[in-house]
Amino acid sequence: QKEVEQNSGPLSVPEGAIASLNCTYSDRGSQSFFWYRQYSGKSPELIMFIYSNGDKEDGRFTAQLNKASQYVSLLIRDSQPSDSATYLCAVKGWVSNYQLIWGAGTKLIIKP
Amino acid sequence: DGGITQSPKYLFRKEGQNVTLSCEQNLNHDAMYWYRQDPGQGLRLIYYSQIVNDFQKGDIAEGYSVSREKKESFPLTVTSAQKNPTAFYLCASRGLDEQFFGPGTRLTVL
Repeated sequence: QKEVEQNSGPLSVPEGAIASLNCTYSDRGSQSFFWYRQYSGKSPELIMFIYSNGDKEDGRFTAQLNKASQYVSLLIRDSQPSDSATYLCAVKGWVSNYQLIWGAGTKLIIKP
Repeated sequence: DGGITQSPKYLFRKEGQNVTLSCEQNLNHDAMYWYRQDPGQGLRLIYYSQIVNDFQKGDIAEGYSVSREKKESFPLTVTSAQKNPTAFYLCASRGLDEQFFGPGTRLTVL
């Protein structure tokens, strides 16, 4: 059973600080990695995706991938109250080319 | 304006009823998906379709059925065989790799 694990939280971060969200995966052959943000009662929206080892930056968001250690992280710089949401990690494996394996999500709370 | 629409936004079902959730996309995507989300949990795959007239069961297909007669449409029927259907239902379509979601349908059993 391929798995994606996330700490359920809640993770509480002061406004203006860096929020760090982590995700580990079990399928060593995983190819693509996605971070989604889901506000309460709403559907998930794609924030970032990353394919290669290293960092990928987009505005205040940075995705970090370490395939050797099988983890992917999302950093949110200058956290804002509007960043308070649940963050879902999703992974596309090698075998299941059309499916994503989803983590249960980490709830992030940004305190003003 | 490209996107995915789902209707209705809220749906109430009586015991023993079948109900159908609508999902339409104008993104010209081949692949479409149905997920179920329960409170505080992640997404569980019900069915997916890679192309018109073809679909595969996901992890929790029992009590659900789908059709894919048109590229744009992927309706989900929740049958009376689904014993615990109260949940948030999400439809998605896939671009190159990433999935995009509709706004969801919240189904409640009365």
